[in-house]
Amino acid sequence: GQQLNQSPQSMFIQEGEDVSMNCTSSSIFNTWLWYKQDPGEGPVLLIALYKAGELTSNGRLTAQFGITRKDSFLNISASIPSDVGIYFCAGQLERGSTLGRLYFGRGTQLTVWP
Amino acid sequence: DTEVTQTPKHLVMGMTNKKSLKCEQHMGHRAMYWYKQKAKKPPELMFVYSYEKLSINESVPSRFSPECPNSSLLNLHLHALQPEDSALYLCASSQDLLQPQHFGDGTRLSIL
Repeated sequence: GQQLNQSPQSMFIQEGEDVSMNCTSSSIFNTWLWYKQDPGEGPVLLIALYKAGELTSNGRLTAQFGITRKDSFLNISASIPSDVGIYFCAGQLERGSTLGRLYFGRGTQLTVWP
Repeated sequence: DTEVTQTPKHLVMGMTNKKSLKCEQHMGHRAMYWYKQKAKKPPELMFVYSYEKLSINESVPSRFSPECPNSSLLNLHLHALQPEDSALYLCASSQDLLQPQHFGDGTRLSIL
């Protein structure tokens, strides 16, 4: 199956700092997605990216679909305590047998100190 | 609040019990999914339904039996589970198989 390498595995930052995490793949994806998961809840979709080079923002979050279609990054500016959680990247293909399948990164655990 | 509703939120069952997990969405989505998630790991795909037909079964043991009675409902029937089946079971839905998936908050399942 497709392997996604997500880094860093964990981050400990001070409130107000900016955060950057990324995902790389050995294969090309058609769609990149970023999710956040809080304890005891399901993953929440943050940003969806559909085109190589696309840069999309959602409030303090900015994500980009890499030009090679093999990577994506997520930036969080001016972090706040409620940004704490696990962030997952996911890639999606559009070919036959893979339709509907998301390939997830292993997650980035973010801790924000006040 | 998530628009994908899962019940129950928590379930404790013995290895000989039969129970069902329920998932409901009213967004008009035609694709629905079951995932299993262990602590601090990404979700693992179990089943995919598209237009109420099973399109992916990720070689899931037969003690898990999915059912899609209509376009808004997805069930997961459980029978004779093992302790290693204890996990968070997530349901997701999307407009179709190409669109982003939206997750419910899951059912926390514990097998005694």
